[in-house]
Amino acid sequence: EVQLVESGGGLVQPGGSLRLSCAASGFTFSSYWMSWVRQAPGKGLEWVANIKHDGSEKYHVDSVKGRFTISRDNAKNSLYLQMNSLRAEDTAVYYCARWSSSGWYYWGQGTLVTVSS
Amino acid sequence: EIVLTQSPGTLSLSPGERATLSCRASQSISSSYLAWYQQRPGQAPRFLIYGASSRATGIPDRFSGSGSGTDFTLTISRLEPEDFAVYYCQHYSSSQWTFGQGTKVEIK
Repeated sequence: EVQLVESGGGLVQPGGSLRLSCAASGFTFSSYWMSWVRQAPGKGLEWVANIKHDGSEKYHVDSVKGRFTISRDNAKNSLYLQMNSLRAEDTAVYYCARWSSSGWYYWGQGTLVTVSS
Repeated sequence: EIVLTQSPGTLSLSPGERATLSCRASQSISSSYLAWYQQRPGQAPRFLIYGASSRATGIPDRFSGSGSGTDFTLTISRLEPEDFAVYYCQHYSSSQWTFGQGTKVEIK
């Protein structure tokens, strides 16, 4: 059974940093692109970042470029999102998801990040 | 940048009725990379349709997708109680992944 379990969310002050993790199991992690998708409270879904199966390609939405970095450790079956210079508008539930050319079939349950003083 | 616009914002229907949801792209897109998701309150999104018209594994056949070019449609033939949720279309192209703003299907 495919499982994606996010962790690392919490309350952080504006300008602060946070590192999200996603533990993957039930599939060959190193064979798949992985993603972070977020959802602000009461709002829609927003793609944040994607990373190729071997980490050689990374893409980020313009609003987080230069502040967030997606990475992975295939030996640990883990996906990460390093978030720096956090802003109030980054407050959201962050989902880890497995990307295929068809779409995001598998999703984690999400971890809440709150940016507030 | 491709923008996906969904309409209507909210659809008020009764169980058993047919729901028709629209997703319009700001320019012509490949239907191969057009997907639909369902999100129930407090849950992660659920993958429904890929390639504009193919149902994901385990998705009931009352869900169908169609369209090409700039206009795409998700149809739910007969609404079941569990179908009342928010639906998002999504597109991938040139290393950009985009969602529509969502359509809420609510009980009338």
